[in-house]
Amino acid sequence: DIQMTQSPSSLSASVGDRVTITCRASQNINTYLNWYQEKPGKAPKLLIYAASSLQSGVPSRFSGSGSGTDFTLTISSLQPEDFATYYCQQSYSKTFGQGTKVEIK
Amino acid sequence: EVQLVESGGGLVQPGGSLRLSCAGSGFDFPSYWMNWVRQAPGKGLEWVANIKPDGSVTYYVESVRGRFIISRDNVNKLLYLQMSSLRDEDTAIYYCAREMVRGVAVNWFDSWGQGTLVTVSS
Repeated sequence: DIQMTQSPSSLSASVGDRVTITCRASQNINTYLNWYQEKPGKAPKLLIYAASSLQSGVPSRFSGSGSGTDFTLTISSLQPEDFATYYCQQSYSKTFGQGTKVEIK
Repeated sequence: EVQLVESGGGLVQPGGSLRLSCAGSGFDFPSYWMNWVRQAPGKGLEWVANIKPDGSVTYYVESVRGRFIISRDNVNKLLYLQMSSLRDEDTAIYYCAREMVRGVAVNWFDSWGQGTLVTVSS
């Protein structure tokens, strides 16, 4: 099984900060990596697919990069609505990372 | 607008059974792979199962294989998850999700329902 490890598990940041979340796969997954945002009481929302493609309607402050085993999700300037939990997912066997909670500093 | 609405959750005893449903609308339901994803209380997301557009192929996470069955009714645009031999650790919010496929292993979940809560407890 392909394991996905996100870091950090949580972080505190301020509005306007640049935030980077990393995701590491236990084996090469090319660019078969997606990112989702989850807020309490709401359905998860797709942000990035295939490592770097921005889902329609998602603000351009979100970006994804990486290939092979190491990936990053970057929020260029954190907005109040971005405080949430973020998950990576590899699309071979659809395993999710454990999540990164972004909290207000 | 794509809509997915889950139903059927509730309280069930360990060893019991439950069938979840997901109604799709606003898109060509028979053309899409469909999935169930769950989230246990305070935990992360876990993919559970998916099914090919024509229903001929299904996949499951190891922990539910042999206990859960995913199926679909393309005429009525419904997705199902029949759960049996339920365990405490199956307690979770269960989401249905539409899968976009663009090639081998190139796929993602672009639309999700709001989820239905399943509680397994005596």
